[in-house]
Amino acid sequence: SQELEQSPQSLIVQEGKNLTINCTSSKTLYGLYWYKQKYGEGLIFLMMLQKGGEEKSHEKITAKLDEKKQQSSLHITASQPSHAGIYLCGAGGRDDKIIFGKGTRLHILP
Amino acid sequence: AAGVIQSPRHLIKEKRETATLKCYPIPRHDTVYWYQQGPGQDPQFLISFYEKMQSDKGSIPDRFSAQQFSDYHSELNMSSLELGDSALYFCASTRGVHEKLFFGSGTQLSVL
Repeated sequence: SQELEQSPQSLIVQEGKNLTINCTSSKTLYGLYWYKQKYGEGLIFLMMLQKGGEEKSHEKITAKLDEKKQQSSLHITASQPSHAGIYLCGAGGRDDKIIFGKGTRLHILP
Repeated sequence: AAGVIQSPRHLIKEKRETATLKCYPIPRHDTVYWYQQGPGQDPQFLISFYEKMQSDKGSIPDRFSAQQFSDYHSELNMSSLELGDSALYFCASTRGVHEKLFFGSGTQLSVL
């Protein structure tokens, strides 16, 4: 079965600094999703990547999927307190369910 | 825009009781997924439905059952509740395969 490994597990950065979160899959990714979750709340869709080498940006968040489609990175530029939360990568295989990594807990220091 | 609606938002039950969680997908979404997220854990896939038929099954206990109705809403029925069932239960909906999932705000179930 497909497994997703996220790194780091937690991250503390100073406001205004850049940061990167990685997601590595044990198998080829047919769809890679990034979600953000506030504690005890629902998952907010950030981006979906499907093609090798694809890169998408939304405001200060950029996500990339490598050419071999087994690794993705999420990069936040000039972090703000509103970026704090849990970032989850999810992968959809040939079947129709999405499995998730264990998440990266991001804390932003003022 | 309409989002995925889950009810109730919070639910407190005692051991061995039953619980029913409801999910109303985004209009015109034909696929519903249920996930369970324990404290500090990642969401674990339970079960999914496409066009009112079960499409996939994950780590769902035999004590749990679910169905999708003609109006595409779904219900997760949980019986003989155990302390370990305390978790945040998410419903997500989508239209088609490999499309983005939209998640509800979840139902926080506490079993005492």
